[in-house]
Amino acid sequence: AQTVTQSQPEMSVQEAETVTLSCTYDTSESDYYLFWYKQPPSRQMILVIRQEAYKQQNATENRFSVNFQKAAKSFSLKISDSQLGDAAMYFCAYRSSGTYKYIFGTGTRLKVLA
Amino acid sequence: DVKVTQSSRYLVKRTGEKVFLECVQDMDHENMFWYRQDPGLGLRLIYFSYDVKMKEKGDIPEGYSVSREKKERFSLILESASTNQTSMYLCASSFGGASNQPQHFGDGTRLSIL
Repeated sequence: AQTVTQSQPEMSVQEAETVTLSCTYDTSESDYYLFWYKQPPSRQMILVIRQEAYKQQNATENRFSVNFQKAAKSFSLKISDSQLGDAAMYFCAYRSSGTYKYIFGTGTRLKVLA
Repeated sequence: DVKVTQSSRYLVKRTGEKVFLECVQDMDHENMFWYRQDPGLGLRLIYFSYDVKMKEKGDIPEGYSVSREKKERFSLILESASTNQTSMYLCASSFGGASNQPQHFGDGTRLSIL
């Protein structure tokens, strides 16, 4: 069965600095999709960024980028120029092609220090 | 924008009660999901539905049932509420087919069973 592991329950970053959140996954599939979601305190969970496994190029969305290492089964999220509004729980998620199920990690709580 | 609406943000019920959590989405999504979110455990899938009247068990279906009579509405039912079902419940929806489509989440229902 596929699993998603986020080994950092909590992280802190100074405002304007860069932080990287780790995510590893275990799968025997070759075709799948990876996602990072953000859940601000008491607010709705929203998509931050997604990556298709067949694409070698790392996805980027403004200040958010990923480091996708398919062989190592690693999918880390880099947040550049951190802002106070980035403070949230971040969840890594996996979905195998052709299935309905998303598998989520346990989350990393990011604190942004002013 | 996709709107996923959960009927209650906060709900307090007593043990043994039958509890209904309602979720409505307005984007004609085929797939709908119910998750339970607990600290340190991430999101765990309770049930999901890929079509009207179709449902499949997730990872933790015990003590829950679901109903999907219309495409836009997916209900979670706690048949006889127990204190260990106190949790945050998240509803999500997504398009069927293309697996790179992300899930869209509701605001969540924080349920307390006394």
